[in-house]
Amino acid sequence: GESVGLHLPTLSVQEGDNSIINCAYSNSASDYFIWYKQESGKGPQFIIDIRSNMDKRQGQRVTVLLNKTVKHLSLQIAATQPGDSAVYFCAELGGSYIPTFGRGTSLIVHP
Amino acid sequence: DAGVIQSPRHEVTEMGQEVTLRCKPISGHNSLFWYRQTMMRGLELLIYFNNNVPIDDSGMPEDRFSAKMPNASFSTLKIQPSEPRDSAVYFCASSLSPGGGAVNTQYFGPGTRLTVL
Repeated sequence: GESVGLHLPTLSVQEGDNSIINCAYSNSASDYFIWYKQESGKGPQFIIDIRSNMDKRQGQRVTVLLNKTVKHLSLQIAATQPGDSAVYFCAELGGSYIPTFGRGTSLIVHP
Repeated sequence: DAGVIQSPRHEVTEMGQEVTLRCKPISGHNSLFWYRQTMMRGLELLIYFNNNVPIDDSGMPEDRFSAKMPNASFSTLKIQPSEPRDSAVYFCASSLSPGGGAVNTQYFGPGTRLTVL
C-alpha cells in the first residue's frame, strides 16, 4: 500500500509467485487510474490503466482491480520475474486530468 | 522513436549556481510535464504545458524555479540560485493531450539527478 514518510513499503516475493501491490486513492471523483513501474535509474513507465466504469482490466501478466466503494486499487503480477523488481506507483486522475501519484511500493523478486 | 530525452543525466553544482535542465518531448506530443522526485515527497508535479503554453505552475516551489517551452520540441527548467534542498531527480514527461484516456498516458524521460552542494 501507500506510505507516509521516508521509507517505501516493500513487497518481497520469490520468482514465480504472484504479486499483489495495493494502493489507496483519495479522491472519490477520480475516474481514471494508471499503474507505473519505475526501475532503478529510470523514469516511471506505463504498465496498465483502468477507467472508473470498470472494476477489472487485464494485460500481459498484469491485472488491475478497482474497488470504488473503498477507493482501492491493486496490481496483480502473475509469475513474477526478477525483471519485475522495481518501484510501482499508482496514479489517479480526475477532472483536471493531471495525475496524482502515490508514494510507491518497492517490489523485490528473489530468484 | 527515441522517447523523451533529458539532459544532462547528472548535474552536480554548488549552492548559488544557476542550473538549467533540458527536455525534448516525444514528437507529436502536445503536453509536457516537469516533475521532481525525492524520497521525502515522492513524485511532485512542478508545471505543465499544453501546446507550449504553461497551464498550471502551482507546483513550482518558489520564484527561484522557472520553466519555458519556446517550441513544441524543447523545454527548460531553470533554478537560480540553486540550494541544497533542490537536490532531487527531475523528470520530464510528455503526452498527446491533458485529457483522460489511453492516448493521454504520460511518457517519462530518464530524469536528471541534481545534486546541489
